[in-house]
Amino acid sequence: GAGVSQSPSNKVTEKGKDVELRCDPISGHTALYWYRQSLGQGLEFLIYFQGNSAPDKSGLPSDRFSAERTGGSVSTLTIQRTQQEDSAVYLCASSLKDHGSSYNEQFFGPGTRLTVL
Amino acid sequence: SQQGEEDPQALSIQEGENATMNCSYKTSINNLQWYRQNSGRGLVHLILIRSNEREKHSGRLRVTLDTSKKSSSLLITASRAADTASYFCATTGAGSYQLTFGKGTKLSVIP
Repeated sequence: GAGVSQSPSNKVTEKGKDVELRCDPISGHTALYWYRQSLGQGLEFLIYFQGNSAPDKSGLPSDRFSAERTGGSVSTLTIQRTQQEDSAVYLCASSLKDHGSSYNEQFFGPGTRLTVL
Repeated sequence: SQQGEEDPQALSIQEGENATMNCSYKTSINNLQWYRQNSGRGLVHLILIRSNEREKHSGRLRVTLDTSKKSSSLLITASRAADTASYFCATTGAGSYQLTFGKGTKLSVIP
């Protein structure tokens, strides 16, 4: 079956512009995660969705970052007024079970490489 | 924030040799997973070891876990050029869902 897909694969934007990054999880996966990978910070957790709810937004670096998930499927990560330090690869993952399970293998998408000029 | 450290940060070996990467973490865990990443993009899940397990095998991969030392190792036997990638360990705590990643080991296998 299809894996996690993300779009766009690359995004170049100017400082101050808003961007939207999209994630299509594996069908039937109830949990969805966003991570960010940058040279200075490595791989960081951003936000977790269980269904359409985001019980944990603690990883979002600032209020310029927001995310939503609709229909228990597609998720969009929005960055407003982008800054150069937002440049990173944004990775989405999904898993079949939530944190109540002892086994939560997360399947990752190919990522979106965001470059803020 | 990073849970722990992998070492070495970079490793270069000849094809056919074994590669060993280590990972240390700081807090108690529910399980520990190893991922591979090619060219800075998507992560591929390799193997998961639960906190009550000590060793696990999958093909050419062998993972050990020592919870008393808060450390894990990944051994890749008979390495191939295609194994060239970055390898990350990631942990989840009890009742947690987010993966907390180490900084990774960059492995280069020379043909």
